[in-house]
Amino acid sequence: SQQGEEDPQALSIQEGENATMNCSYKTSINNLQWYRQNSGRGLVHLILIRSNEREKHSGRLRVTLDTSKKSSSLLITASRAADTASYFCATDHPDTGANSKLTFGKGITLSVRP
Amino acid sequence: KAGVTQTPRYLIKTRGQQVTLSCSPISGHRSVSWYQQTPGQGLQFLFEYFSETQRNKGNFPGRFSGRQFSNSRSEMNVSTLELGDSALYLCASSWTGLSYEQYFGPGTRLTVT
Repeated sequence: SQQGEEDPQALSIQEGENATMNCSYKTSINNLQWYRQNSGRGLVHLILIRSNEREKHSGRLRVTLDTSKKSSSLLITASRAADTASYFCATDHPDTGANSKLTFGKGITLSVRP
Repeated sequence: KAGVTQTPRYLIKTRGQQVTLSCSPISGHRSVSWYQQTPGQGLQFLFEYFSETQRNKGNFPGRFSGRQFSNSRSEMNVSTLELGDSALYLCASSWTGLSYEQYFGPGTRLTVT
């Protein structure tokens, strides 16, 4: 079953603007990761935030995690046309026997207009 | 360092046939996981292998199987192909498992006719 649910499903912005994407999940997590995918290619890891962290930065990316609301947001600042892609959140959930499963949301399509 | 490689990149098969996909992880990575991506269901976890053992499995029928070799290379097999198996199959590797950054290959596009 789908755990991570991204919002909005699609986002269109002008180059230079900020893009904010949200992800919600249902059960407790070990960590939450964000990935980018260009045109049906492989996914590229953007950032990982652990359940005991609240905020993380990487270049133009800022990720927040609110475990009480079971939600995360990804902010891309000063967007560029090259940021046009699909973005996925992936949640790592503890399972019985301390193994984990990685569950992806359906993704957000971001279009950045030049 | 070379990235994750998957072969073949494209494949066309007929219903009822079987197919084997291959994945070579990044050197030193011991965890290899497989995902199926379709427009309708999105990205779904198939299974994860670590040190030649299947450690996690998603909710797929037994027609989907995999294995990992001693050099960490992995294969997945789908038997008795159905039209619904048409998808992009992605392989990812990481140092120790799903709780860490996953490095994805370019995928194998499987079309079942």
